[in-house]
Amino acid sequence: DIRMTQSPASLSASLGETVNIECLASEDIYSDLAWYQQKPGKSPQLLIYNANSLQNGVPSRFSGSGSGTQYSLKINSLQSEDVATYFCQQYNNYPLTFGSGTKLEIK
Amino acid sequence: QVTLKESGPGILQPSQTLSLTCTFSGFSLSTYGMGVGWIRQPSGKGLEWLANIWWDDDKYYNPSLKNRLTISKDTSNNQAFLKITNVDTADTATYYCARIEGIIRGTDWFAYWGQGTLVTVSS
Repeated sequence: DIRMTQSPASLSASLGETVNIECLASEDIYSDLAWYQQKPGKSPQLLIYNANSLQNGVPSRFSGSGSGTQYSLKINSLQSEDVATYFCQQYNNYPLTFGSGTKLEIK
Repeated sequence: QVTLKESGPGILQPSQTLSLTCTFSGFSLSTYGMGVGWIRQPSGKGLEWLANIWWDDDKYYNPSLKNRLTISKDTSNNQAFLKITNVDTADTATYYCARIEGIIRGTDWFAYWGQGTLVTVSS
């Protein structure tokens, strides 16, 4: 199985700040990576697919980058509505696997 | 408009079989390239992928659940199903179904999710 190591586990940032969340795959996943946002009590929502493609309707302050085994999600100009847990997911190989999540809070 | 909704028993006892139904609209599982997956999440924890089924009845399972999983579909009624045999307390979780967005294997990300159904395994 491909292991997805996500960091940090939690993050506190101020409004307007830029934050980065990292995901490290245990092997090359050739940009087959998605990022999701999950607000408390809600279903996950897709933000990014193919490592850097923004899903329709997602604000442009969200962006994804990376290749090989290292990937990141960047949130510019942090807004209060960005408080959530963020997960990465690889789909290069079965079984599909998710990172353990990053809980983002406002400082 | 794509929607999905999960339904399940709510509570069941250890060793029983869990049967889940995903009822969806806005797409058809008989259409080329379509697929549905099941993902679960214990309360306060991360996401675990369980199984995917594609339009051509191709199926993929998470081997960590060994042979306990069976995924199936009813294209006439726009439904997908998941059965988990011999449940125990570790299977307590919210279960989600979601539409696979890519049209070929290896493009299994999920843009549309159901609201989830909470399943509790308890004696």
